[in-house]
Amino acid sequence: SQTIHQWPATLVQPVGSPLSLECTVEGTSNPNLYWYRQAAGRGLQLLFYSVGIGQISSEVPQNLSASRPQDRQFILSSKKLLLSDSGFYLCAWSELVLNEQFFGPGTRLTVL
Amino acid sequence: SQKIEQNSEALNIQEGKTATLTCNYTNYSPAYLQWYRQDPGRGPVFLLLIRENEKEKRKERLKVTFDTTLKQSLFHITASQPADSATYLCALDVEPDSWGKFQFGAGTQVVVTP
Repeated sequence: SQTIHQWPATLVQPVGSPLSLECTVEGTSNPNLYWYRQAAGRGLQLLFYSVGIGQISSEVPQNLSASRPQDRQFILSSKKLLLSDSGFYLCAWSELVLNEQFFGPGTRLTVL
Repeated sequence: SQKIEQNSEALNIQEGKTATLTCNYTNYSPAYLQWYRQDPGRGPVFLLLIRENEKEKRKERLKVTFDTTLKQSLFHITASQPADSATYLCALDVEPDSWGKFQFGAGTQVVVTP
């Protein structure tokens, strides 16, 4: 069966520090991968999605970036965090374009 | 892109009753629409998908309808239970040929009391 992992589960970082969040998927090949951010009491905001290794689409201008170094690994990064980067970060995968998405457990990021 | 509207007020309902949630969109008709459940501090969990050529979809106590004329989907939980308490999100494709890009509504919280 397929599983999705995210780490860390929680993170507190000072403004201006770098960020690296990792997501890995097991049990499937060539998945579509997604990064979302959810602010408190708000909906999910699509940040990046990827249909293959090295293929990343950015949805919103921001100081975040994403990379997909391996088929089932998706990394969210920042060189310098802002206060507005605080939120709940969710990684998700889907098997086909129109199929449902499966979400990871999320990372709660607090930037102070 | 789409504007998706879900009731922002929590829906309080008594156990055993039917909860009905709405999801309205404003622009182009999506090829499909999905509903997810999200518990506090957790990632959303997929519940149902309905395509544009389908009027209704059922799964156990859940039912989804899709009216492309009204640009609306209704999500029903019949015989609701306290365990159904959660936030429910609708999601649809962002734009034609958007290749797996989803846009989510802000969600509606459901509280089922015994």
